[in-house]
Amino acid sequence: AQRVTQPEKLLSVFKGAPVELKCNYSYSGSPELFWYVQYSRQRLQLLLRHISRESIKGFTADLNKGETSFHLKKPFAQEEDSAMYYCALSHNFNKFYFGSGTKLNVKP
Amino acid sequence: DTAVSQTPKYLVTQMGNDKSIKCEQNLGHDTMYWYKQDSKKFLKIMFSYNNKELIINETVPNRFSPKSPDKAHLNLHINSLELGDSAVYFCASSYGQGSYNEQFFGPGTRLTVL
Repeated sequence: AQRVTQPEKLLSVFKGAPVELKCNYSYSGSPELFWYVQYSRQRLQLLLRHISRESIKGFTADLNKGETSFHLKKPFAQEEDSAMYYCALSHNFNKFYFGSGTKLNVKP
Repeated sequence: DTAVSQTPKYLVTQMGNDKSIKCEQNLGHDTMYWYKQDSKKFLKIMFSYNNKELIINETVPNRFSPKSPDKAHLNLHINSLELGDSAVYFCASSYGQGSYNEQFFGPGTRLTVL
């Protein structure tokens, strides 16, 4: 069963607009959630993890256990944010489950 | 000074052949992984090794055999290649076990089986 769902394959916004990349998960315990990002011609890399409650490059993500969601948000999108974003869940040592990714396109 | 490297970057081969993909990391990490990214872009974990010991083996056909000669290398050997094996394979590494450890990914190997 798919544990991580990213419903949007492509999300296009204009520069300066708010952006929200959706991620829903299915897991009954206490998972750890992550967002990974892949910029053009670069490797997949960690953006942020829920346990750190950090803001990276203006992005934040809140774990909502009631809605089983971990949406990625940024109030003002920048062109350099254009990339593929993957939501990931981990619950047991190094078992990671990735979503199918959302391509964010920030238009000038 | 590449952190996680994979070779080859592209691999095109015929059905039934046997092929290997190599992965090396120079980060001093203890744990390495293989992921398969299918046509729908899902990234699925295949294997995980910690200090040369297999710790995760997801439901992967026996045709796939990982080999870790030392903790800096995790190679993936595939026997009797099938059309459905066509995908992008990513290697990754992390400092240790535990999901809080950031994973560092290689550039991927695009395998095409004809």
